[in-house]
Amino acid sequence: NAGVTQTPKFRILKIGQSMTLQCAQDMNHNYMYWYRQDPGMGLKLIYYSVGAGITDKGEVPNGYNVSRSTTEDFPLRLELAAPSQTSVYFCASSYGTHEQFFGPGTRLTVL
Amino acid sequence: QQPVQSPQAVILREGEDAVINCSSSKALYSVHWYRQKHGEAPVFLMILLKGGEQKGHEKISASFNEKKQQSSLYLTASQLSYSGTYFCGTGNAGNMLTFGGGTRLMVKP
Repeated sequence: NAGVTQTPKFRILKIGQSMTLQCAQDMNHNYMYWYRQDPGMGLKLIYYSVGAGITDKGEVPNGYNVSRSTTEDFPLRLELAAPSQTSVYFCASSYGTHEQFFGPGTRLTVL
Repeated sequence: QQPVQSPQAVILREGEDAVINCSSSKALYSVHWYRQKHGEAPVFLMILLKGGEQKGHEKISASFNEKKQQSSLYLTASQLSYSGTYFCGTGNAGNMLTFGGGTRLMVKP
């Protein structure tokens, strides 16, 4: 099992550009999550999904969008990138309320 | 509101013990503990559920005081590999976690 995979690993964007961060899991988990982690800080929940077709906002959803058309994939869309979105983005998945498994992260810089 | 972790940082010698605390202002359904090494993803250590169920790791244990809305992580006989940042995540019934700011642990030989 690959677990949770994320692409790309690194990305530099210019202000105003858009991009999609990809996340996939092969553990048949129903719950998936997107977090951001600013330097030296904890994780903040952006969006989450409890199953295909169902998504909801977390603590810091502004400037982001998600979709979940399959159990395996949970892409995160950044529209009109801003310097405040410079962060490391982690995708995670879990089976219900059990432990969350994290992907390796995407390091995003917006200049 | 995010849980408060203490201490913010701790330095140990190999073999010493440590306790990391996590306090919440909200009623807790669950507490998760994760360790993150520099430049890596968080890795699951321990989960404690309301009602006392817990599951975790070999030399790491934890307590969950529902009344005080607190959890503590106990690291015994620390090893060099224990170094990293420890995060608690407090959960609601939907498993949405709110993470604390982290506790940086350094274990020296």
